[in-house]
Amino acid sequence: DAGVIQSPRHEVTEMGQEVTLRCKPISGHNSLFWYRQTMMRGLELLIYFNNNVPIDDSGMPEDRFSAKMPNASFSTLKIQPSEPRDSAVYFCASCPLMAPGEKLFFGSGTQLSVL
Amino acid sequence: QKEVEQNSGPLSVPEGAIASLNCTYSDRGSQSFFWYRQYSGKSPELIMSIYSNGDKEDGRFTAQLNKASQYVSLLIRDSQPSDSATYLCAVNGGGNKLTFGTGTQLKVEL
Repeated sequence: DAGVIQSPRHEVTEMGQEVTLRCKPISGHNSLFWYRQTMMRGLELLIYFNNNVPIDDSGMPEDRFSAKMPNASFSTLKIQPSEPRDSAVYFCASCPLMAPGEKLFFGSGTQLSVL
Repeated sequence: QKEVEQNSGPLSVPEGAIASLNCTYSDRGSQSFFWYRQYSGKSPELIMSIYSNGDKEDGRFTAQLNKASQYVSLLIRDSQPSDSATYLCAVNGGGNKLTFGTGTQLKVEL
């Protein structure tokens, strides 16, 4: 099993540009999560999907952020327009529909730098 | 008030000592609790889960839960340099939503 696959690993862009982060969850996992990690705020949940349906997007910071999951094997997180304060590590994670004893499997993350 | 609070550290312990990491949470209805370990530049990985009051042991790791005090802890016995990492406390307040603390950095010194 290849685990959760994220791309790109690193992204450097200029303020105002569109950024698209990609994630392929583990096959058979029904839940997918997008987290953002910064030194100041730690690991913050942005949005999560169950069976490709967005369940809770209350962590999405503002309308510049959007996420989609068109099928069970692919999700995107888009930032348009990007701003320097969006610089962070963005993690995608997946798991079977959570029950006690289940755990999140994290991807390697995308290090985003907005100049 | 943050939902899950941890001391950021760093917590320094000598090799072979017991490291004690603490976490408090605000949602009294939380039912499941987790400790994740994150090495520098890497992604978090689950090391312990606990669901009922008391202690749960797994090798050198012991998780402790006190729901009345809204307190979770992780003890690492016989600490090794390879245990040096950031430890994240995570709480499931319902559904699939895991809320993480900002983590405690542990340094195990030779």
